[in-house]
Amino acid sequence: DVKVTQSSRYLVKRTGEKVFLECVQDMDHENMFWYRQDPGLGLRLIYFSYDVKMKEKGDIPEGYSVSREKKERFSLILESASTNQTSMYLCASSFRGGPYNEQFFGPGTRLTVL
Amino acid sequence: AQTVTQSQPEMSVQEAETVTLSCTYDTSESDYYLFWYKQPPSRQMILVIRQEAYKQQNATENRFSVNFQKAAKSFSLKISDSQLGDAAMYFCAYRSAAPGAQKLVFGQGTRLTINP
Repeated sequence: DVKVTQSSRYLVKRTGEKVFLECVQDMDHENMFWYRQDPGLGLRLIYFSYDVKMKEKGDIPEGYSVSREKKERFSLILESASTNQTSMYLCASSFRGGPYNEQFFGPGTRLTVL
Repeated sequence: AQTVTQSQPEMSVQEAETVTLSCTYDTSESDYYLFWYKQPPSRQMILVIRQEAYKQQNATENRFSVNFQKAAKSFSLKISDSQLGDAAMYFCAYRSAAPGAQKLVFGQGTRLTINP
């Protein structure tokens, strides 16, 4: 079974702190994604990466950066956390080839910024 | 840009009955993929069912089936014989079939409650 893990289920940070969210997948997927999930808005793509050191902005990249130094690991970085970044963050991964490219999701990190 | 709309924020159904969740989308493309994802209270999102736009036959996975109406840009999910374990948030998602397209566009989600 594909496994996508995220470093924390719950995280509480203070405004202005630098925050790292880590995601690891064990299926040798080329693609990795970071979403944020907010009630009534569904999932919105922050960034995705299609290869090591490669990244592409999603729909809401402002205030975020990412890092992918190894194929299995994709980090989301909040350079200076703000209260409007309080949200659920979901990581996903998928193969690049093939017709469906089904995305497999991690359990999510509930981030609260005080 | 493509958009996906789920107009039912919440739905409820009696156990063992059938429920249909609605999804509409907007696209100018002729070839694409559509998905329904389920997010149970434990939060791990899993794929329920998928449909290719060029296939006219509606996809079915056990108790889950879709009604895909391409001209109407509608992709509803039918859950038959609802079970308590079906309680979850359900998300409809779209992905282009264009070469290199990898991103999913999600709807707002529908929270499904199963009443015993």
